[in-house]
Amino acid sequence: DTAVSQTPKYLVTQMGNDKSIKCEQNLGHDTMYWYKQDSKKFLKIMFSYNNKELIINETVPNRFSPKSPDKAHLNLHINSLELGDSAVYFCASSPRGANYGYTFGSGTRLTVV
Amino acid sequence: AQSVTQLDSHVSVSEGTPVLLRCNYSSSYSPSLFWYVQHPNKGLQLLLKYTSAATLVKGINGFEAEFKKSETSFHLTKPSAHMSDAAEYFCVVSELGSNDYKLSFGAGTTVTVRA
Repeated sequence: DTAVSQTPKYLVTQMGNDKSIKCEQNLGHDTMYWYKQDSKKFLKIMFSYNNKELIINETVPNRFSPKSPDKAHLNLHINSLELGDSAVYFCASSPRGANYGYTFGSGTRLTVV
Repeated sequence: AQSVTQLDSHVSVSEGTPVLLRCNYSSSYSPSLFWYVQHPNKGLQLLLKYTSAATLVKGINGFEAEFKKSETSFHLTKPSAHMSDAAEYFCVVSELGSNDYKLSFGAGTTVTVRA
């Protein structure tokens, strides 16, 4: 009955590899997001999708490619991983609009070695 | 444009004493504001939100926050800290970007609770 679920929870991989993180929400929300939390715990939005359409793309390297097969799923694919990509990545969802907080997943801790 | 500033990077309190986490925002219009909590190695949980209704907002776990437009503040308080309140707290503003609203996070305040 998890509202926003991400897999995997932990991901350790070598530089140069390609990896994906999956996210699913069962709340019926129209909008989904990816946030990156750095080592200083600062959270910054990467992407948002509304009903499968890309809405926000916050100057993220094009090695990062989100894909939304339907409005309940938003996956994040990362090509040619770099050391600086190490972070915790959070998926979130919300109804569309200013007044709604987001429901966050539990995060994926990515470590690039 | 909007932004949010958390005035304290770290707050340490004794169990049973009040907690005050300070947050100021800058906004050209009436914002929607939120507080989120992140316990160690956990995800983010919504504590409370302000969306232009009552200025004193009550949240979960005994927390509340007061929206003060004249001071552009949204400080978070709790009358009596519990050990389980030790966590990272984020003040958040809903911000209109080029295409849609997004949540912009403050830098966070780490709360330590002493026994």
